[in-house]
Amino acid sequence: NAGVTQTPKFRVLKTGQSMTLLCAQDMNHEYMYWYRQDPGMGLRLIHYSVGEGTTAKGEVPDGYNVSRLKKQNFLLGLESAAPSQTSVYFCASKLAGAEQYFGPGTRLTVT
Amino acid sequence: AQSVTQPDIHITVSEGASLELRCNYSYGATPYLFWYVQSPGQGLQLLLKYFSGDTLVQGIKGFEAEFKRSQSSFNLRKPSVHWSDAAEYFCAVSASGGYQKVTFGTGTKLQVIP
Repeated sequence: NAGVTQTPKFRVLKTGQSMTLLCAQDMNHEYMYWYRQDPGMGLRLIHYSVGEGTTAKGEVPDGYNVSRLKKQNFLLGLESAAPSQTSVYFCASKLAGAEQYFGPGTRLTVT
Repeated sequence: AQSVTQPDIHITVSEGASLELRCNYSYGATPYLFWYVQSPGQGLQLLLKYFSGDTLVQGIKGFEAEFKRSQSSFNLRKPSVHWSDAAEYFCAVSASGGYQKVTFGTGTKLQVIP
């Protein structure tokens, strides 16, 4: 099993550009999450999904959109990137009543 | 609302010394509690978890944690630290039902000196 994978690993965007981050898991997990990690702030939840076709907002959803068209994939989109979105993005997945499994992260820089 | 406090931003210990990382949580019912470790440039790896039962939990890499309901704490311990333990450690809390939102602390960065 590959576990949780994230694509791409690194990306540099100019302000106003758009991009999509892909998260894939092969563990048949129902729940999937997108976090951002900034120095001194821990992990903050952007959006999450409790199953295929469902998404919901987390703590810091502004400027991001998500989709979960297939159970194994959870996409995070930035429609118009801003420097404040420079961060490391982590995807996680889990079963009900269990711990989260994390991907390796995507380091995004917006100039 | 649930919350997690890790009061120590940085901790430095000598190799071979004991370690205790503090975690205090706020949650109305019995929580699920986790400790994760993150090495530089890596994702988060689960060290241990508490769901119910024995309040002293054993994890990987020789770590353990104790759930103390009266103190709302879940401190992480290791009797003898190795240089490879240098990393950032995150405590997290979640509810036991629903979509199980997981709230993370801000992390404690551990430095190990020879």
